[in-house]
Amino acid sequence: SAVISQKPSRDICQRGTSLTIQCQVDSQVTMMFWYRQQPGQSLTLIATANQGSEATYESGFVIDKFPISRPNLTFSTLTVSNMSPEDSSIYLCSVADAATDKLFFGSGTQLSVL
Amino acid sequence: GDSVTQMEGPVTLSEEAFLTINCTYTATGYPSLFWYVQYPGEGLQLLLKATKADDKGSNKGFEATYRKETTSFHLEKGSVQVSDSAVYFCALRPGSGNTGKLIFGQGTTLQVKP
Repeated sequence: SAVISQKPSRDICQRGTSLTIQCQVDSQVTMMFWYRQQPGQSLTLIATANQGSEATYESGFVIDKFPISRPNLTFSTLTVSNMSPEDSSIYLCSVADAATDKLFFGSGTQLSVL
Repeated sequence: GDSVTQMEGPVTLSEEAFLTINCTYTATGYPSLFWYVQYPGEGLQLLLKATKADDKGSNKGFEATYRKETTSFHLEKGSVQVSDSAVYFCALRPGSGNTGKLIFGQGTTLQVKP
């Protein structure tokens, strides 16, 4: 299994600012995934982060709004840029274990934008 | 596009009651189906899965059968315990999707009373 640490666990931010969320995994993984869970809604995949290449974004998400870094096989960051109250969500980092077909999730970052 | 629909919660049961949480899906091709669970204060974790029609996933007394004819993957448990109180998410992975791309239902909160 993979142990995933996310920082910060929660934050309250002002509109127009940016927040960078960090995700650290205790083992090397090829792909890391960023999800968003808006209040009262299901989880939605934002993007897939591969080491050494640009992230792949899902429909409705763009790099200018959610830039992602993947400097090595155990670490990734997601930035939420130019925030508005609509960005208030829980952001989750996850990694996949292809052998067991499991997704492992971090505990999430609860973001509130005022 | 592909989607997952879960019964709305919260679901409140007495200990030892029978549990069913309904889940239906819409997908092209041959998706894999999952149930994830989030216990209070913890991250999402895989509960069970099924990768093809008529497969039954099971874990911790929970079961779900992949029914292609009814496009359903209902979660059942014969006798719930207080420790089963959690949020349950049904999810699918498109047949052609990467390991980390899951489409989630909105989640169903289960509360078990002693």
